[in-house]
Amino acid sequence: DAKTTQPPSMDCAEGRAANLPCNHSTISGNEYVYWYRQIHSQGPQYIIHGLKNNETNEMASLIITEDRKSSTLILPHATLRDTAVYYCIVLTQGGSEKLVFGKGTKLTVNP
Amino acid sequence: GAGVSQSPRYKVAKRGQDVALRCDPISGHVSLFWYQQALGQGPEFLTYFQNEAQLDKSGLPSDRFFAERPEGSVSTLKIQRTQQEDSAVYLCASSLAGDRADYGYTFGSGTRLTVV
Repeated sequence: DAKTTQPPSMDCAEGRAANLPCNHSTISGNEYVYWYRQIHSQGPQYIIHGLKNNETNEMASLIITEDRKSSTLILPHATLRDTAVYYCIVLTQGGSEKLVFGKGTKLTVNP
Repeated sequence: GAGVSQSPRYKVAKRGQDVALRCDPISGHVSLFWYQQALGQGPEFLTYFQNEAQLDKSGLPSDRFFAERPEGSVSTLKIQRTQQEDSAVYLCASSLAGDRADYGYTFGSGTRLTVV
């Protein structure tokens, strides 16, 4: 079973920030928080990951609470192309570990 | 290649037919995963290879499902005697190594299998 909880759907206006929450209250000390998204008819795409510090890359920012029990993915200026299902996943950093997907959050960016 | 390539993109099979789905991972990627994604659901793990070794096949739903990666690069997922419940998108993912994945896993676009 997935170790994370996400709202099933969210809406955001184009050009505004999209803030996607994720709860992972049972995360252990050596587990990272990963975010992937899946645009319709495509495979999941890696977005960002972090352990305890906030992270930022060209796609998004990841804010992790101090107790690490929850996190928020921020898309600073959402575009229509950001409409997708967003998955929050926890795992030990390593290329040999299988990803366990939950149902994710369906983000719809509206014009 | 630049990404993970899967073929065919779409496959329609008659119930009882055998099918073979191909995955070409990114060159040099050691780890390779297969996932099954039913309509409206998140991907579910099927099996994992490290080079040519199949280290985890716990997600394969039945003995009709078989995967191989004989030379540690291209992988094939075979489904024998297909049934309607096998209809799904089959995704392949690869990653650089067993102990570091700073850029996560790279997924292909999948093969959509429809069993009629």
